Amino acid sequence: EAQVTQNPRYLITVTGKKLTVTCSQNMNHEYMSWYRQDPGLGLRQIYYSMNVEVTDKGDVPEGYKVSRKEKRNFPLILESPSPNQTSLYFCASSFRALPYEQYFGPGTRLTVT
Amino acid sequence: AQSVTQLDSQVPVFEEAPVELRCNYSSSVSVYLFWYVQYPNQGLQLLLKYLSGSTLVESINGFEAEFNKSQTSFHLRKPSVHISDTAEYFCAVSVKVEGSSNTGKLIFGQGTTLQVKP
Repeated sequence: EAQVTQNPRYLITVTGKKLTVTCSQNMNHEYMSWYRQDPGLGLRQIYYSMNVEVTDKGDVPEGYKVSRKEKRNFPLILESPSPNQTSLYFCASSFRALPYEQYFGPGTRLTVT
Repeated sequence: AQSVTQLDSQVPVFEEAPVELRCNYSSSVSVYLFWYVQYPNQGLQLLLKYLSGSTLVESINGFEAEFNKSQTSFHLRKPSVHISDTAEYFCAVSVKVEGSSNTGKLIFGQGTTLQVKP
């Protein structure tokens, strides 16, 4: 089944404790992206990747890092999480950048206390 | 900067009634337009999209949206809703660019929760 998977689905952590949210797709897509969803704000892009070893900042990259060493994986790293990073995170992938359809993962709900 | 406004945060409607979810965007250049649906505890799924050509686009489950360039709108409509349509709906836009300027970024509206009542 073609899909985007994310792990963990739920995470509660404390301020400053490094964490990684994994994202993997099995569709051989070149393009991958991370979004965060906050009430009343919709989804905002954090980082994106056009292909392996090619990443760039989106609209809200502060406090996040990413890497794209393999085509299928695009982990999101929070080196020192803070409470303002409490949010719902979505990974997405598409064959290439727009206008190709973006497929979204199920989401990771992160709470930073 | 591009922005998308969904004019209603919540739309309650009775089953089998018609519904319209409104979406306006701010752009004077060519855009791609999308509607995504998010069912409870799930990721977003593409409902329909406008890339070019006919301004009226349809989904397989009875929704349609019309691109209106003069009003910069892309409202979503369904003539008769079902309980199963209860979900959050997001309008999204992306500016048409080619080559290295194409970041693939979707700009989302704030979302509209459609609540279908029996």
